[in-house]
Amino acid sequence: DARVTQTPRHKVTEMGQEVTMRCQPILGHNTVFWYRQTMMQGLELLAYFRNRAPLDDSGMPKDRFSAEMPDATLATLKIQPSEPRDSAVYFCASGLVRASGRAGNEQFFGPGTRLTVL
Amino acid sequence: GNSVTQMEGPVTLSEEAFLTINCTYTATGYPSLFWYVQYPGEGLQLLLKATKADDKGSNKGFEATYRKETTSFHLEKGSVQVSDSAVYFCALSDQGAGGFKTIFGAGTRLFVKA
Repeated sequence: DARVTQTPRHKVTEMGQEVTMRCQPILGHNTVFWYRQTMMQGLELLAYFRNRAPLDDSGMPKDRFSAEMPDATLATLKIQPSEPRDSAVYFCASGLVRASGRAGNEQFFGPGTRLTVL
Repeated sequence: GNSVTQMEGPVTLSEEAFLTINCTYTATGYPSLFWYVQYPGEGLQLLLKATKADDKGSNKGFEATYRKETTSFHLEKGSVQVSDSAVYFCALSDQGAGGFKTIFGAGTRLFVKA
């Protein structure tokens, strides 16, 4: 049963600390997304990758957030330094875009990392 | 730009009641439309989708029809169960970025009472 995995599931840290969240996309998927979910803002797209290359990270605060894909089986989202306003649930999702590039492709979400910054 | 508007929640229903969650969209071109569901403590998962006008997506008793003339994709279920309590997200994706960048609505929380 293929699924997206994320670690850690929960993280509590103090303001100013570095936070790294990890995601393992479904094997064979070529597109990876990072989302942030809060009660106030809902679901926000932070960044996404195609074949490990960043395509769009315009939703991400550049001064403190960074996203990478060191290899096809790992995506990371890092916050340095963290702030209380970063408290949210962070979701990774993956999907497969076929050569035709047609719309209608499903995204598979991981269970999320619940981050609390004190 | 593209956008999705769905009815505000929460929606509270008794078991076996009829459910409608309204969703309208704004898009250039011919987007695909989706409903995702999020159960407590989990990520979103696809419930159903439609890729062209007049298509009907269906799954687990839920249905939605892609209406281009009214730019709508309303979610319906004839008889809800307690286990349907969740947050429902309407979404669209367009041809940009190979048809993969997805715009999500704000979500509608559904409570079903026994």
